[in-house]
Amino acid sequence: GAVVSQHPSWVICKSGTSVKIECRSLDFQATTMFWYRQFPKQSLMLMATSNEGSKATYEQGVEKDKFLINHASLTLSTLTVTSAHPEDSSFYICSARQSEDYNEQFFGPGTRLTVL
Amino acid sequence: GQNIDQPTEMTATEGAIVQINCTYQTSGFNGLFWYQQHAGEAPTFLSYNVLDGLEEKGRFSSFLSRSKGYSYLLLKELQMKDSASYLCAVVDSNYQLIWGAGTKLIIKP
Repeated sequence: GAVVSQHPSWVICKSGTSVKIECRSLDFQATTMFWYRQFPKQSLMLMATSNEGSKATYEQGVEKDKFLINHASLTLSTLTVTSAHPEDSSFYICSARQSEDYNEQFFGPGTRLTVL
Repeated sequence: GQNIDQPTEMTATEGAIVQINCTYQTSGFNGLFWYQQHAGEAPTFLSYNVLDGLEEKGRFSSFLSRSKGYSYLLLKELQMKDSASYLCAVVDSNYQLIWGAGTKLIIKP
């Protein structure tokens, strides 16, 4: 089946530093990748949608200059949290979709970010 | 606006049956997903319905009525490991997933 990996699984960083999270589709080409954020006991919140080779589409309220998304290939998307602050501490999950004809999103295992 | 409603929390007994409902109002409809999410983990796929009716997969079944904007997830022979959040998500006319807030299912012995 379709497998999506994320790296790292967890990261602890100091306030003001930048953190990069990688999302890879291992056995399929993902035309679209999605980045979600989930705070404790809350539902998934879509941050942005990215298509390979084009700029990401950010949801309302998500700062594109703070959350940099690069979807350089059909199997890799990266999310960089720039100048992270404690309020950015969250569970970041990526998902990938094979094509627009197939709606299912395959989720990565998530990255837990803790900003001190 | 787009809206997905599902109960916040449900409690059931091990070995019993539980039904988790989901109602939706979205701009267009291209299918409905149910995902299971254990605490601290990413969601995992359970089912996908795009036509009316019941889809059965082992202990889990999912039902859809497009005319009523309604779906339910039925879990039979509940096990302790079924304690998790269950997320309902609808694919809208732009092929975007609209997520419900999730239903936390607590299984008691």
